[in-house]
Amino acid sequence: DGGITQSPKYLFRKEGQNVTLSCEQNLNHDAMYWYRQDPGQGLRLIYYSQIVNDFQKGDIAEGYSVSREKKESFPLTVTSAQKNPTAFYLCASSIRTSGGDEQFFGPGTRLTVL
Amino acid sequence: AQKVTQAQTEISVVEKEDVTLDCVYETRDTTYYLFWYKQPPSGELVFLIRRNSFDEQNEISGRYSWNFQKSTSSFNFTITASQVVDSAVYFCALSEARTGGGNKLTFGTGTQLKVEL
Repeated sequence: DGGITQSPKYLFRKEGQNVTLSCEQNLNHDAMYWYRQDPGQGLRLIYYSQIVNDFQKGDIAEGYSVSREKKESFPLTVTSAQKNPTAFYLCASSIRTSGGDEQFFGPGTRLTVL
Repeated sequence: AQKVTQAQTEISVVEKEDVTLDCVYETRDTTYYLFWYKQPPSGELVFLIRRNSFDEQNEISGRYSWNFQKSTSSFNFTITASQVVDSAVYFCALSEARTGGGNKLTFGTGTQLKVEL
């Protein structure tokens, strides 16, 4: 079955540690995205990638980094520079990079920094 | 800058009642797309509908219907005869229509719908 997988579903880290969240898709989509969701808030875009080896900052990129070495994979690293990293992180993909295409979402990773 | 407002933070209804979720948007673009997504307790967002700015026809899909009005910049979502399984957070979102410029979605803050027996 085609879809987006994120692992793990729950992640706990100590303050000051970097942590990498996995996102894999087998939909053959060109574009991939990372969003952050905080309680009672909508989704905010962290980074997005339109093509392999290229990515752009979203609205809240500070304290995060990404890579896109393969079309199927778009890992997100939450660095120690992110001041408030505890949140629900959602990865998404869309078939093309032009506006209007629906984005398909993964199940999300809930990160808790202790 | 684009903005999506969902003024209703939480709505509670009794099963079989009809309920309308409001969505008001702001954009300077003449071509844009509007979306509704459902987020059940599991957390994964489920796509419900997409509408482009040139198509103001209302749409009905089973118990779901959408009313798009450019004159009031609104894209409201109605669930008819609500069911407990409709309980979720619903997000309205807006994207630009730029080729090769990415497909960034601007989300509203969501409306928590609770359907009780």
